[in-house]
Amino acid sequence: DAGVIQSPRHEVTEMGQEVTLRCKPISGHNSLFWYRQTMMRGLELLIYFNNNVPIDDSGMPEDRFSAKMPNASFSTLKIQPSEPRDSAVYFCASRTTSGGAETQYFGPGTRLLVL
Amino acid sequence: GQNIDQPTEMTATEGAIVQINCTYQTSGFNGLFWYQQHAGEAPTFLSYNVLDGLEEKGRFSSFLSRSKGYSYLLLKELQMKDSASYLCAVKDNAGNMLTFGGGTRLMVKP
Repeated sequence: DAGVIQSPRHEVTEMGQEVTLRCKPISGHNSLFWYRQTMMRGLELLIYFNNNVPIDDSGMPEDRFSAKMPNASFSTLKIQPSEPRDSAVYFCASRTTSGGAETQYFGPGTRLLVL
Repeated sequence: GQNIDQPTEMTATEGAIVQINCTYQTSGFNGLFWYQQHAGEAPTFLSYNVLDGLEEKGRFSSFLSRSKGYSYLLLKELQMKDSASYLCAVKDNAGNMLTFGGGTRLMVKP
């Protein structure tokens, strides 16, 4: 299995620009999670989906952030407009809830720098 | 709410044993995870405890006491490659969301 795939791996953009991060979960996994990691705040859950449906988005910072999961194999996290304080590493993770499996598997992350 | 505490940094010597503690106060509890994260990489799963006691997996062991809100990760026969951050995470009652501690950065010295 290729694991969780994220793109791009690195993104440098200017304040005010739109940023779209992409994630392909592990095939067969039915839960998908978006996290943000910074030195100051650690690893924070932004939103998670179960069977493509957003379940909890209470961690999404503000209206500038939005996430979609149009099908079981693809999700996007969009920031519009981006701000320097959005600079962080954004991880996508997936998990299957069948068979009692509990583990979340993380993608390699997207390192975002907003200038 | 969720509150998870871990030491920020620890240093240990190659070949030694180190114990990384995690205490939590959470509104719900349905299991505790330990993840390892090397610098610049993604977190990778180490262990999962849902019942009290010790879970052993090779050089790594994890312990949980639900009544005390306490867990530790024990690393034996330390190797240089064990230098990494170790993240403690608690799963909520609904069993879906993980809340992570700030992580403990472990430095293994020769």
